[in-house]
Amino acid sequence: SQTIHQWPATLVQPVGSPLSLECTVEGTSNPNLYWYRQAAGRGLQLLFYSVGIGQISSEVPQNLSASRPQDRQFILSSKKLLLSDSGFYLCAWSVTGYYNEQFFGPGTRLTVL
Amino acid sequence: EDQVTQSPEALRLQEGESSSLNCSYTVSGLRGLFWYRQDPGKGPEFLFTLYSAGEEKEKERLKATLTKKESFLHITAPKPEDSATYLCGFQKLVFGTGTRLLVSP
Repeated sequence: SQTIHQWPATLVQPVGSPLSLECTVEGTSNPNLYWYRQAAGRGLQLLFYSVGIGQISSEVPQNLSASRPQDRQFILSSKKLLLSDSGFYLCAWSVTGYYNEQFFGPGTRLTVL
Repeated sequence: EDQVTQSPEALRLQEGESSSLNCSYTVSGLRGLFWYRQDPGKGPEFLFTLYSAGEEKEKERLKATLTKKESFLHITAPKPEDSATYLCGFQKLVFGTGTRLLVSP
């Protein structure tokens, strides 16, 4: 069966510090991978998606970036965090194709102070 | 613009009191409408995918239905453990803001 991992689970960072969140998927090959942000009391906002190694599409302009160095690894990064980057970050995977259901990881709670 | 709206924002039920959650959508060419359950502090858990008007899917006390403009999540005789936020979405994905369901014993 497939499993998706995210770490860290919780992170508190000062404004202006760098960020690296990691997501890995087990039990599947060549998945589509996604990063979402969920602000308190709000819906899910798609940030990035990837259909393969090194292929990243950005949905929302921001100071975040994503990379996919391996087939089942997806990384969300920032060089300098802003207060507005606080939120709940979720990684998800789906089988190849744009319209398949996605399966989410446990999430990372990021607080920028 | 692709859009999804969920109602109500919050719903409080007594245990055993059946009800429905609504998901209205606007999209050119629906390729699948998804329902998820999200517990506080956790990632959404996949429930259903509906592809065409008239389709229905069931899982325990939950039944999802789809028309050309909206989807309903029917909850029959809910239990306290059904308390969660229920999200609907479609395509890649466009999500609604969810319905927070609280079931009291």
